[in-house]
Amino acid sequence: DAGITQSPRHKVTETGTPVTLRCHQTENHRYMYWYRQDPGHGLRLIHYSYGVKDTDKGEVSDGYSVSRSKTEDFLLTLESATSSQTSVYFCAISDRQGLGNEQFFGPGTRLTVL
Amino acid sequence: GQQVMQIPQYQHVQEGEDFTTYCNSSTTLSNIQWYKQRPGGHPVFLIQLVKSGEVKKQKRLTFQFGEAKKNSSLHITATQTTDVGTYFCAGRNNAGNMLTFGGGTRLMVKP
Repeated sequence: DAGITQSPRHKVTETGTPVTLRCHQTENHRYMYWYRQDPGHGLRLIHYSYGVKDTDKGEVSDGYSVSRSKTEDFLLTLESATSSQTSVYFCAISDRQGLGNEQFFGPGTRLTVL
Repeated sequence: GQQVMQIPQYQHVQEGEDFTTYCNSSTTLSNIQWYKQRPGGHPVFLIQLVKSGEVKKQKRLTFQFGEAKKNSSLHITATQTTDVGTYFCAGRNNAGNMLTFGGGTRLMVKP
């Protein structure tokens, strides 16, 4: 498996609290992604990064912000968590955007918002 | 925006039977990828198809990309219990900046 870790692996929080999830990679890959996975919806892209300090929105970015201050770290923040953000969050990395651009996924973070 | 639909959502098969999952995009794709996620695990890349009409095989798995580059399929011959999991297709549009995942097909194999 590619060197990707996510922390925490599990978190239970209350509505209205801020939450930050961390993705750390040791592969020096340029591109990093945050997805959420919900039953029946597959994986939906929240935000992605194409370099340090370079990020862009995905299809479900409302309520989420990201930061990438170092190549190896990509943080996902829920400023004020809501129950609809209960999900499994996966970080992914890739080396290239075009051909040969397979994504490697981290182990996931299970977030429950009560 | 781009949508990728995958059917069926679930499939139960007896070990040894064949299995197929289908993927359809609302727009023409530049390429399509397939991933497998074991229960409790994370998605793992299987293959990428790029050319119109392309067919690739990995042992008992056969992947096809449609002539119009809007659909794809994954066929497993003689399923085994190790094939259990959810199979996702993911399409990349011509702008190339994002992958859009299908909803996945969950395969269950009865021994």
